[in-house]
Amino acid sequence: NAGVTQTPKFQVLKTGQSMTLQCAQDMNHEYMSWYRQDPGMGLRLIHYSVGAGITDQGEVPNGYNVSRSTTEDFPLRLLSAAPSQTSVYFCASSPPGTKETQYFGPGTRLLVL
Amino acid sequence: GEDVEQSLFLSVREGDSSVINCTYTDSSSTYLYWYKQEPGAGLQLLTYIFSNMDMKQDQRLTVLLNKKDKHLSLRIADTQTGDSAIYFCAEELYGQNFVFGPGTRLSVLP
Repeated sequence: NAGVTQTPKFQVLKTGQSMTLQCAQDMNHEYMSWYRQDPGMGLRLIHYSVGAGITDQGEVPNGYNVSRSTTEDFPLRLLSAAPSQTSVYFCASSPPGTKETQYFGPGTRLLVL
Repeated sequence: GEDVEQSLFLSVREGDSSVINCTYTDSSSTYLYWYKQEPGAGLQLLTYIFSNMDMKQDQRLTVLLNKKDKHLSLRIADTQTGDSAIYFCAEELYGQNFVFGPGTRLSVLP
């Protein structure tokens, strides 16, 4: 298993540009989520999905869209990038209906100029 | 809202014990977690404790939970340079969503 994979590793955007951060997992996990990590603030939940076709907002959803058309993929879209979205983004997944922990991807480092 | 707090920095000498502390607010959390993040990497689960336990030991790691004070600690015995990382405390908020603390950066001095 490759686990949770994220692409790209690094990205630089200009204000107003849009882009999609990719996340995929090959463990057949139903639950997937996106976090952003900012210095001194830990990880904050952006959006999550409990299964294909189902998504919901987390703590900081504004400026981001998600979709879950398959179990494997959970892309995060920035519609119009802003400097405040400069952060490190982590995707995570976990098995269904259990209290097992989340498996994290390696992260995408995004800089918005 | 829910909040998880940690001190941001800790320095210890190699071979000493490290104690990283965390306070949380949601008394209904079923599980509490400790994650480790090495430079440039994602988060790796270190250990977790069920809320009806007071202590859990796993090799060099000891987790202590004081539910009354909503205080969680992680003790690392015989701290090594490879333990230098950021350590995150997390509580389960709802479903499988977590609330993370800001992270404690542990520096191990030779």
